[in-house]
Amino acid sequence: DAKTTQPPSMDCAEGRAANLPCNHSTISGNEYVYWYRQIHSQGPQYIIHGLKNNETNEMASLIITEDRKSSTLILPHATLRDTAVYYCIVRVANTGNQFYFGTGTSLTVIP
Amino acid sequence: AAGVIQSPRHLIKEKRETATLKCYPIPRHDTVYWYQQGPGQDPQFLISFYEKMQSDKGSIPDRFSAQQFSDYHSELNMSSLELGDSALYFCASSYPRGPMNTEAFFGQGTRLTVV
Repeated sequence: DAKTTQPPSMDCAEGRAANLPCNHSTISGNEYVYWYRQIHSQGPQYIIHGLKNNETNEMASLIITEDRKSSTLILPHATLRDTAVYYCIVRVANTGNQFYFGTGTSLTVIP
Repeated sequence: AAGVIQSPRHLIKEKRETATLKCYPIPRHDTVYWYQQGPGQDPQFLISFYEKMQSDKGSIPDRFSAQQFSDYHSELNMSSLELGDSALYFCASSYPRGPMNTEAFFGQGTRLTVV
């Protein structure tokens, strides 16, 4: 069963920040939040993950609320190449357990 | 940097035939995951292996089997193929040591068409 809820679609103007929300109200204390994206028919691409602290890398920032029941992926300056389906996944780290892909958010970056 | 290698990239089979998909993980990665993605669908988890042992199991049909070998590559064997098996099959690998390096990296997939 899905552990996360995401809006099915979003638009973002090119050059602006894209903020993608995810609800995970039943997250367990040892589960991390992972974000992946999939550009049409390509293999899913890892973006970022975190436990409770905010995380930033060269691709994006991850903001996790203090109660850990929701998070936001931020793409600071969206480009047309960021158009993809974005998946928020909660999962226990340090295991071979699956990454469960729910329905994701289809992000369209508009010129 | 080396990525996950899947072969073949494309495969066409007839109904009731068998197919074998191969996955070569990133060097030093000891965990492999298999996913199936039908047209317009999200990736569905099939099975995973950690250190050559099955780690997690998803919606893998009984007609499919998989294993991980001593060099950590993995093969997905599919028998009695059906039209509905036509899909993209992705393999991913990871090296789950410590919480901050447990992400999985995906290959570019094998597109299987059953006719």
